[in-house]
Amino acid sequence: AQSVTQLGSHVSVSEGALVLLRCNYSSSVPPYLFWYVQYPNQGLQLLLKYTSAATLVKGINGFEAEFKKSETSFHLTKPSAHMSDAAEYFCAVSARGSQGNLIFGKGTKLSVKP
Amino acid sequence: GAGVSQTPSNKVTEKGKYVELRCDPISGHTALYWYRQSLGQGPEFLIYFQGTGAADDSGLPNDRFFAVRPEGSVSTLKIQRTERGDSAVYLCASSQQGALAGELFFGEGSRLTVL
Repeated sequence: AQSVTQLGSHVSVSEGALVLLRCNYSSSVPPYLFWYVQYPNQGLQLLLKYTSAATLVKGINGFEAEFKKSETSFHLTKPSAHMSDAAEYFCAVSARGSQGNLIFGKGTKLSVKP
Repeated sequence: GAGVSQTPSNKVTEKGKYVELRCDPISGHTALYWYRQSLGQGPEFLIYFQGTGAADDSGLPNDRFFAVRPEGSVSTLKIQRTERGDSAVYLCASSQQGALAGELFFGEGSRLTVL
């Protein structure tokens, strides 16, 4: 069975600082991995996804994530935080062959201080 | 519209009542999903439609929950004999046929409060 663990329910960074949001997964088969973002009063939006091509995946708004099989991790990073990055971020896993039944983590709320 | 539309955005009901939540997916998207998000949790899968048929309903918690998509576009999630534990945000998402599994476009959700 697949599962996702996001370390830290709340992360706070200063504007311009590195953003690192952690995600570890458990899957018995090679997974598809995703990061979704939810801005206040908006629906979830896909940031980026890993589907077994390059292990370093680039997404929208300057975010990227690296798939590390040995560590079963898919951490999300951004070199320099912007105030507009304040949102809740969800890591999700989908087993290959599934029809889109995503297993989501509990989410990490990112705050950005001026 | 351009995105996934969900109505109502907020619904307050009393324990034991019947509730319907509606989802209007992006035009042309054949796959439609319902998720539930409780406070402090990530979205939890309920049911997935491909066209008019429910391809996977393994996430429905019990037989009080039912969803339909009679014409392959709009879907309705139906909850009978609501309980306080059903209070949550119900999310709908859609995707294109053949899209990579998990590339979902979400609506803003319907917040259900059961008193």
